[in-house]
Amino acid sequence: EAQVTQNPRYLITVTGKKLTVTCSQNMNHEYMSWYRQDPGLGLRQIYYSMNVEVTDKGDVPEGYKVSRKEKRNFPLILESPSPNQTSLYFCASSFGSGSTDTQYFGPGTRLTVL
Amino acid sequence: QQPVQSPQAVILREGEDAVINCSSSKALYSVHWYRQKHGEAPVFLMILLKGGEQKGHEKISASFNEKKQQSSLYLTASQLSYSGTYFCGTSTWGYQKVTFGIGTKLQVIP
Repeated sequence: EAQVTQNPRYLITVTGKKLTVTCSQNMNHEYMSWYRQDPGLGLRQIYYSMNVEVTDKGDVPEGYKVSRKEKRNFPLILESPSPNQTSLYFCASSFGSGSTDTQYFGPGTRLTVL
Repeated sequence: QQPVQSPQAVILREGEDAVINCSSSKALYSVHWYRQKHGEAPVFLMILLKGGEQKGHEKISASFNEKKQQSSLYLTASQLSYSGTYFCGTSTWGYQKVTFGIGTKLQVIP
């Protein structure tokens, strides 16, 4: 089954404790992206990647890191989480084929930073 | 800069039509449309590239007027399953870096 998986689905952590949210897709997609969603602010793009070793900043990259060492994986790293990073996070992927593209979203990771 | 969506919310009866607009103050390269139901991940509907595209997806279609820097999503003969929040996303170059609107909450009632 074609899918984007995220782990963990729920996480409660404390300020400053490094964490990684994993994202994996099994569709051989070139493009992957991370978003955060907050009430009243909608979706905001954090980082995106067009291919292995190619990443770029979205609108809200501060406090986050990503890596794309393999095509299927695009982990989101919070090296020193803060309470303002409490949010719902979505990973998405697609072939990056322009007008005919279809983007697939993971189920989301709800992160709480205390 | 964040695109502006209108209306912010709309209630429809089954079978009625709706239009959701998305406008930007910047020249756009692409517009993306998504629907999200409460508690679920967004679902991609379509992407339109500059060049004045118009696309259809079942009873949901969209147009992109790059001169006016705006896009409209058309929902015809609405069904209960159309309920949710609709987001537009825009990019000013390529289609990879996307900025989203706040969303339009659409509720279809029997």
